Amino acid sequence: GENVEQHPSTLSVQEGDSAVIKCTYSDSASNYFPWYKQELGKRPQLIIDIRSNVGEKKDQRIAVTLNKTAKHFSLHITETQPEDSAVYFCAASPIKAAGNKLTFGGGTRVLVKP
Amino acid sequence: DVKVTQSSRYLVKRTGEKVFLECVQDMDHENMFWYRQDPGLGLRLIYFSYDVKMKEKGDIPEGYSVSREKKERFSLILESASTNQTSMYLCASTAGGHYGYTFGSGTRLTVV
Repeated sequence: GENVEQHPSTLSVQEGDSAVIKCTYSDSASNYFPWYKQELGKRPQLIIDIRSNVGEKKDQRIAVTLNKTAKHFSLHITETQPEDSAVYFCAASPIKAAGNKLTFGGGTRVLVKP
Repeated sequence: DVKVTQSSRYLVKRTGEKVFLECVQDMDHENMFWYRQDPGLGLRLIYFSYDVKMKEKGDIPEGYSVSREKKERFSLILESASTNQTSMYLCASTAGGHYGYTFGSGTRLTVV
């Protein structure tokens, strides 16, 4: 099955700096790559996703890039703010997965220091 | 606002008890999932269902079973709770195709 690895496990950045989280996946059939943000004590929420026919997608201060050849994708947060502090999860879904089954990475705890 | 509701936020159960975790969604989604969340391990899939009465094992199904008698409800059952099942359990649902999940608030289960 699919295996998703996520790095780093923790990331501390100064407010205003950029943060980058990287994920690799194993199944070349995966074609859907969402990112979730989980604030302390809250449910994970989808913040951005990318499909394999697209190399990059942006939404305000966040962007995701995908390299299908290398089987990795990354989340970029620019101009970080304290409210960006959370745990971020990447995930991947193979094209043939019944029920859109997502495999998640281990998570990255991001701390933005004011 | 779309919702996935988990019946309990916190549960404490004894070893050997049969435990039921309930999840209800109001979005008419075909697909429902149960994950457990442990620090450093991310979210691991226990079971999922893509239709009423249909179920498939995820990556860590041992010690668990599920039931989906109605489209909106997906139940996770711990047949005989053990301490290594102490965890945060998250239910999620999604429409067919590649769309993001909507998660419930989670149930933090402690088995003593």
